[in-house]
Amino acid sequence: NAGVTQTPKFQVLKTGQSMTLQCAQDMNHEYMSWYRQDPGMGLRLIHYSVGAGITDQGEVPNGYNVSRSTTEDFPLRLLSAAPSQTSVYFCASTTQKYPRNTEAFFGQGTRLTVV
Amino acid sequence: GESVGLHLPTLSVQEGDNSIINCAYSNSASDYFIWYKQESGKGPQFIIDIRSNMDKRQGQRVTVLLNKTVKHLSLQIAATQPGDSAVYFCAEIGGQFYFGTGTSLTVIP
Repeated sequence: NAGVTQTPKFQVLKTGQSMTLQCAQDMNHEYMSWYRQDPGMGLRLIHYSVGAGITDQGEVPNGYNVSRSTTEDFPLRLLSAAPSQTSVYFCASTTQKYPRNTEAFFGQGTRLTVV
Repeated sequence: GESVGLHLPTLSVQEGDNSIINCAYSNSASDYFIWYKQESGKGPQFIIDIRSNMDKRQGQRVTVLLNKTVKHLSLQIAATQPGDSAVYFCAEIGGQFYFGTGTSLTVIP
């Protein structure tokens, strides 16, 4: 059971480049989300999805797009990378948004540097 | 948005001592709380959870206390070991997961 798999683990981009961070889970979880982690800021929610075909914005959505065509995959797209997007990105999944008695399983993270 | 914060950003304890990590939350509607442990270079891992209808919950060497009156929860680690060195996050779930900034725990051998 792989859990939540993120790729790549490390990435360096030039300002203005685009890329997609991949996230896949094999636990048949409905709820998936993306966070960024910056020093002293904790984990901040970027986008989330409560099921295939449904996405919504989190706390810091600007500069990022997501889609959820399948239950398993929840890619995060940076259309035009900016240095402010340098961060560590985590994907997480959980069985469902409600009831709220389930833990979230996290991927190993993607360390992104935008130069 | 709602905020979750930790009182102390760093904590150093001697091996074998007990550790206490504190967390404040602001959303009185949150009814579920989780403590996560994050080791360097890894994603957060679940430690223990507690629901709002409980004041205390115990796991293996860990105890979480919830004080709804002052919107505060704490994580107690008994007989702290070097392997406990990590960043600890509290998260409140009130529709979404809201995470605190984390406390870095260092265990001194």
